[in-house]
Amino acid sequence: GAGVSQSPRYKVTKRGQDVALRCDPISGHVSLYWYRQALGQGPEFLTYFNYEAQQDKSGLPNDRFSAERPEGSISTLTIQRTEQRDSAMYRCASKGLMNTEAFFGQGTRLTVV
Amino acid sequence: KQEVTQIPAALSVPEGENLVLNCSFTDSAIYNLQWFRQDPGKGLTSLLLIQSSQREQTSGRLNASLDKSSGRSTLYIAASQPGDSATYLCAVVSGTYKYIFGTGTRLKVLA
Repeated sequence: GAGVSQSPRYKVTKRGQDVALRCDPISGHVSLYWYRQALGQGPEFLTYFNYEAQQDKSGLPNDRFSAERPEGSISTLTIQRTEQRDSAMYRCASKGLMNTEAFFGQGTRLTVV
Repeated sequence: KQEVTQIPAALSVPEGENLVLNCSFTDSAIYNLQWFRQDPGKGLTSLLLIQSSQREQTSGRLNASLDKSSGRSTLYIAASQPGDSATYLCAVVSGTYKYIFGTGTRLKVLA
């Protein structure tokens, strides 16, 4: 596709369940980022990849959160044993080499009940 | 640690006014700065990217400036329209190439 695609767009899950959020970046983009955004706040960095290598995961809140990008394209953000505080908009972005623009997907709205 | 602040947090103006949104950052060692627009229920739309070596970028009615030494960027919107109503976010790229966002300015342009 032409843009960054995230799925699902909306996810409602029960507390304690695991969820997997998917990001399909723009074709050929080297870097892929995951962000979390609470209502009324700016996006908060979680992790990012160059190709398949996870370059920085300093923003992952705890070890329930993990991300992978095994073939350097599609990425999955997994949250294990979800808690209500995990409810947020999760956003993915991709960009090309060096100092080029980052493009964001529509996001996945996660609600933990 | 890089911190990004946007002022004002919210702004309401009549249609046709020129306006300025401000973004400040604490660490001047940045690679670039990008302005985004966010509409309710939608993703972030890239507006302008300013490289660290540049002073400004223009796109249509938008002009963004960058002063690295003072840690500031401004987004100028000329002849505002109701369709410009949205939240505007700035993000700086520094350190390990991650984007650090401000909390945004919520703009409302009244018809």
